Order: sequence, then structure tokens, then C-alpha cells
Amino acid sequence: DAKTTQPNSMESNEEEPVHLPCNHSTISGTDYIHWYRQLPSQGPEYVIHGLTSNVNNRMASLAIAEDRKSSTLILHRATLRDAAVYYCILFMMDRDDKIIFGKGTRLHILP
Amino acid sequence: AAGVIQSPRHLIKEKRETATLKCYPIPRHDTVYWYQQGPGQDPQFLISFYEKMQSDKGSIPDRFSAQQFSDYHSELNMSSLELGDSALYFCASSPPPGTSPYEQYFGPGTRLTVT
Repeated sequence: DAKTTQPNSMESNEEEPVHLPCNHSTISGTDYIHWYRQLPSQGPEYVIHGLTSNVNNRMASLAIAEDRKSSTLILHRATLRDAAVYYCILFMMDRDDKIIFGKGTRLHILP
Repeated sequence: AAGVIQSPRHLIKEKRETATLKCYPIPRHDTVYWYQQGPGQDPQFLISFYEKMQSDKGSIPDRFSAQQFSDYHSELNMSSLELGDSALYFCASSPPPGTSPYEQYFGPGTRLTVT
């Protein structure tokens, strides 16, 4: 399975943008880049995904490097509710793909 | 919108007992996944079902079994419980192909405590 590397933890001030990096140098051409997050005492939740182009949704933006060996999840204006563990995950094109959770980045938001 | 339902939310069992965890996927979702999250750990994939057939298997102990029923709900059966089985158990479901690529929706989890 293709692997991802993320910082163990990051801190950000409330109402400021947050950039969460992810390295995936062994990504294959058919891997989608997904981000999930897990808020305290909750199940993981989908945040965003992309293949080659940058993506935006109501929760976040995903910036993908041109060579696809890294990506950055961008929270435009962090709130206390965004404090969570963020997981960068690669999915192959096969359906029914299980999620292999890596260590993730624990994001702390400072009021 | 309907979410994944798991029951019970909390379960306390003694060593060597059995436990059954239930998962009700989002309507029209045909794939169910089970994950185990130990204290301070990241979730680990256990097993998955697609259209009522086992589709993939991860680090699931032989003491555990699971199935998906005709109404698509799934049950995880755990026997000869050990202290190390104490964990959060998450169920997730995903829609048919072409609906939403590979997005999984997680339930709130069942917290199992083995004493």
C-alpha cells in the first residue's frame, strides 16, 4: 500500500488559516488523495479528496503538488471545533477500498 | 440526513464472554466496514462486506466473525473476549460505485470494555 507521512501535531490560532501537509512520494497514478478527520470521541469523518487538481468544498481546500508526491489540506479559518486528528489517506481505483489509517496530524487550535 | 447507526453505544463484558455489535448503514449503501480503535491508537480495519458477501479482511482475530444481512445491516460477533479487545468499534458504510467515490461514512462507534 502506498504510504503517507504527516507531522505528528500542529498548532494554530483560532480564526487563522491552517495548512496541513502530507507527503506521499510513492503514490501511483490511480491513487486518490483523501483526507478524513476524527474529532474527540467521534468516528472519523470525510473531509475532502482529489486526484490531480486542487479541490474546494465547504469544509476545506486540497492543494495537490504537480508531481502528486505531496498535498496540503487547507482550513481557511480554523475554529475550536476543528481540533481533531487529520488523516491523509491514499485510495486505489478499486472499489470497496478499506481505509488504512496512518498516524495522522493532531491539530490543536488555540483560542 | 440519516447516518450510520451502531448499537449498543456502550458494552461491558467479562473475559471469555461473547459480544455482538450491530451496524445499520445509511439507506442504499451496499458496503459496510468494521474498524477497531484501541486506546490512544489509530483505527484499524477489521473486515468489510459488499452486497452481503465478505469483500476484504484485515487484522481480525479468529475469535471474531461478522456478516451482512439481506437488509444490509451487519453484525460483528466476538467470542472468548480478552482484556485487549477493549476498544472503540466503528462501523462505516459507503454507497454503490458511481455515487460518491470511495467516501466512507462512519458511525458513532461502540465502546466495548472487557473486565
